[in-house]
Order: sequence, then structure tokens, then C-alpha cells
Amino acid sequence: DAGVIQSPRHEVTEMGQEVTLRCKPISGHDYLFWYRQTMMRGLELLIYFNNNVPIDDSGMPEDRFSAKMPNASFSTLKIQPSEPRDSAVYFCASSLSWTGEKAEAFFGQGTRLTVV
Amino acid sequence: KQEVTQIPAALSVPEGENLVLNCSFTDSAIYNLQWFRQDPGKGLTSLLLIQSSQREQTSGRLNASLDKSSGRSTLYIAASQPGDSATYLCAVSNDYKLSFGAGTTVTVRA
Repeated sequence: DAGVIQSPRHEVTEMGQEVTLRCKPISGHDYLFWYRQTMMRGLELLIYFNNNVPIDDSGMPEDRFSAKMPNASFSTLKIQPSEPRDSAVYFCASSLSWTGEKAEAFFGQGTRLTVV
Repeated sequence: KQEVTQIPAALSVPEGENLVLNCSFTDSAIYNLQWFRQDPGKGLTSLLLIQSSQREQTSGRLNASLDKSSGRSTLYIAASQPGDSATYLCAVSNDYKLSFGAGTTVTVRA
């Protein structure tokens, strides 16, 4: 398996524009997570899905953020409208399980978002 | 709320020296603890996963211990190499959430 695949790797957009980040989890993994990493706040969980169903979105900072998982092999994180303070690296991760030896989380390479 | 602390924030050692990285967490009701490596501008690479019932886990030159009752984990890297230079993050899972420390940035001098 190629691992967790994210696109694009880099995104530069103007304030007010819509941004869509994409993620393809590892095949067969039941859990998918979206994280945001900044220098100030480190890694923060935004939302996670189990079997394509959003379970906890309490980390989503504002209503401008939304995430979907239409099928087991694809998820999107959308920001509309984008603001400069959304600039960060966004990571997608997946895992087979939450407990036990199969709970290992695998991360994608991230999308570096810059909002100007 | 789970708080994860990693000390020190940065570490510089000569090649060949053993590395000791510390992680502490406030809520001991964890499912597991995972150590990651992050290279500049890259994603996170999983190094070791320790289940809550385990005391340690080993992979090559890496050994991680877990003392759940005291809320501590230690990552040992034997005979460090310049290629070990990276940021090391620990993450604990509970309440279906991975909580991360801020990381320890390691520099191994040749």
C-alpha cells in the first residue's frame, strides 16, 4: 500500500477563497483523522471518522471548516471562506483500529496551506 | 483534558551517544502510546506503538518504555547517528483522540 495520500502538497490561496484538501487513507483502515499543525499550537485533532461516519468534530475551529468522507477511500476537508490564520500544515491519518496492536496511526505527508 | 509534555524541547549529541527522550501525560487511562518521528517539512513516521498493557516495545536501535501509573514513557535510541536527527513526538490515545506532545528536536553531530 502506498500509505496515506494527501493532495495537494502545497496550497497558496487568497483570503476569502474556498480551499479543499483531499485524503486517501490506507485501504481497509476504519478510522480517519484530520489534524492541523502550527508552531504555536502543535498538532491538533480537528475531526475523525469511523467507517465513513464523523464521530467527533469538536476540534473543528469554526463553521468555516467542514469535512466529509463519502466513501472508505476518500475524505475532504474544506475551508470556506479561508482566512490568513488558517495557514498551517494539515495532516490526514488513518488506522485499522483504536485499541490493540492494530491501533497504529499512519500519517500522510501533509498539505501546507498558506492564506494570503 | 489530556496534557502531554516532552522534555527536553531540544537535544544535541555527538554521534554514537545514546539518546533518551522523555514523555509525560496527565491522564493515565490511555489505550496506547505511540512515538513518531518528523523530519522538516515532512509527515509523521510511526516508530513504535506501546499498548496500555505493555511495559516496553523494541524495534532495532529503538526501545520505548511505558509506566502508565506514573504517566511516563521514555524513548531510547542506541548509538545515535546523524540520520537520527529529527523531531520526535509522543502521542497518547484515550477518548478516541490522539494527544500529542510538542516534540523533542534532536541533532546528532557527526
